[in-house]
Amino acid sequence: EPEVTQTPSHQVTQMGQEVILRCVPISNHLYFYWYRQILGQKVEFLVSFYNNEISEKSEIFDDQFSVERPDGSNFTLKIRSTKLEDSAMYFCASIDSPLSRGNEQFFGPGTRLTVL
Amino acid sequence: GNSVTQMEGPVTLSEEAFLTINCTYTATGYPSLFWYVQYPGEGLQLLLKATKADDKGSNKGFEATYRKETTSFHLEKGSVQVSDSAVYFCALSDQGSGLTFGKGTLLTVNP
Repeated sequence: EPEVTQTPSHQVTQMGQEVILRCVPISNHLYFYWYRQILGQKVEFLVSFYNNEISEKSEIFDDQFSVERPDGSNFTLKIRSTKLEDSAMYFCASIDSPLSRGNEQFFGPGTRLTVL
Repeated sequence: GNSVTQMEGPVTLSEEAFLTINCTYTATGYPSLFWYVQYPGEGLQLLLKATKADDKGSNKGFEATYRKETTSFHLEKGSVQVSDSAVYFCALSDQGSGLTFGKGTLLTVNP
C-alpha cells in the first residue's frame, strides 16, 4: 500500500540554524500539508500546498517557515532560524483530491525536531 | 472558525470494558469528521470517518456517528483490548482544508 514517507526521523539542531524537513507524498496525490505536534499537545495545522503554491496557512506559519516542492516527488518544510519553541513532531500529509473519500489525509510517520 | 472539543483524558479501562470518548465540534461549513489514532512512538493513522449527517464510521470494532443536531462525533467500542492503548484524536476538515484536531485522549487498557 502506498504511504507517505518523511526524512529524517529525528533532527537535532542548534537554535538559530536552518532546518529542512523532507516528505515524499503518495505519488498520485496533489494536495500536501504540514502539521506539528508539540510534545503532549494537540496536532496543529501549519500549511497546505497545491499546484506549487500555498493554498492555506495558519497563524503559526510565519515568515520563518517556507514550503517547496522542488521536484516531482519531494515536499519540504524549511525553518529559517529555529527557536526553542519549534521543537516538535512535524507531520506531512497528502491527499489526492479534497473532494474524494471524505477528505481523508494520509500522514507520514513524522520528523521529531529538537532545537537546543 | 472551526474547533473540536474532546473529552479530557487520560482514560484507563480494563480489557473488555466499554469505551466512549466524547467529541463535539463547531464549524462554519459542513465538515467531514474523523477519528485518528496514534500508537506509542508512531504517527497518525486514520481510524474512521464520516462525511455527512447520520453517517456511521466504523473500523476495528470502533464506531462513531455524525450527529449534526448535537454537533457530535463520539467514539465507541464495545470491548476494548490492551492493543487499543493509544492516543485518540477527533478531527474535522472542510472541503480539503487543513484538519482541525482536538487535544487528544490517552487511552490505557489494562489486562
